Amino acid sequence: GAVVSQHPSRVICKSGTSVKIECRSLDFQATTMFWYRQFPKQSLMLMATSNEGSKATYEQGVEKDKFLINHASLTLSTLTVTSAHPEDSSFYICSARPNGIPEAFFGQGTRLTVV
Amino acid sequence: SQKIEQNSEALNIQEGKTATLTCNYTNYSPAYLQWYRQDPGRGPVFLLLIRENEKEKRKERLKVTFDTTLKQSLFHITASQPADSATYLCALDPSNSGNTPLVFGKGTRLSVIA
Repeated sequence: GAVVSQHPSRVICKSGTSVKIECRSLDFQATTMFWYRQFPKQSLMLMATSNEGSKATYEQGVEKDKFLINHASLTLSTLTVTSAHPEDSSFYICSARPNGIPEAFFGQGTRLTVV
Repeated sequence: SQKIEQNSEALNIQEGKTATLTCNYTNYSPAYLQWYRQDPGRGPVFLLLIRENEKEKRKERLKVTFDTTLKQSLFHITASQPADSATYLCALDPSNSGNTPLVFGKGTRLSVIA
């Protein structure tokens, strides 16, 4: 199956700082990638759709100025949590679907802890 | 409103028994349904996909059914093992286009007890 790699897997940052999370498709090109957030024992909540070469599409209630998404190439999307606060602590997961393949492939996830 | 529901938040079964998980959807017309496994602190992993014209799909000890009349998919794990303990998510593509994000159920946390 296709491989999606996410980095870092775990990060602790101080309140007010910014954190960048990278999501790479290793063996396929992804014009679209998806960013999810997951709280403990909750389901995946879609945050935004990242589009290569254009602006991301954010879900209702997700602050685009706080969660900056950049999809600069066909294999890399980044999510930057700006001015992080403790309430941003969560598990962030990216996914992508290769063209013509219906299933989604997920990164390993990033556990963000803001202290 | 559109919904995809997995009725059981948690399911405990004895090792060796068959686990059956349910996924129901409302106001969608999916061409296919998918099932994923998620372990704690990890991203979901694709398990099986079943299309609307397929009644049943099998992969090793896994079996999925899809009833478009009942708007329901059942996911079975036969001869369950403690290593099968995980959260299982059902998902569908609301546009059937492949370009939109999948919609996921909340998941069922399965615990297989030795």
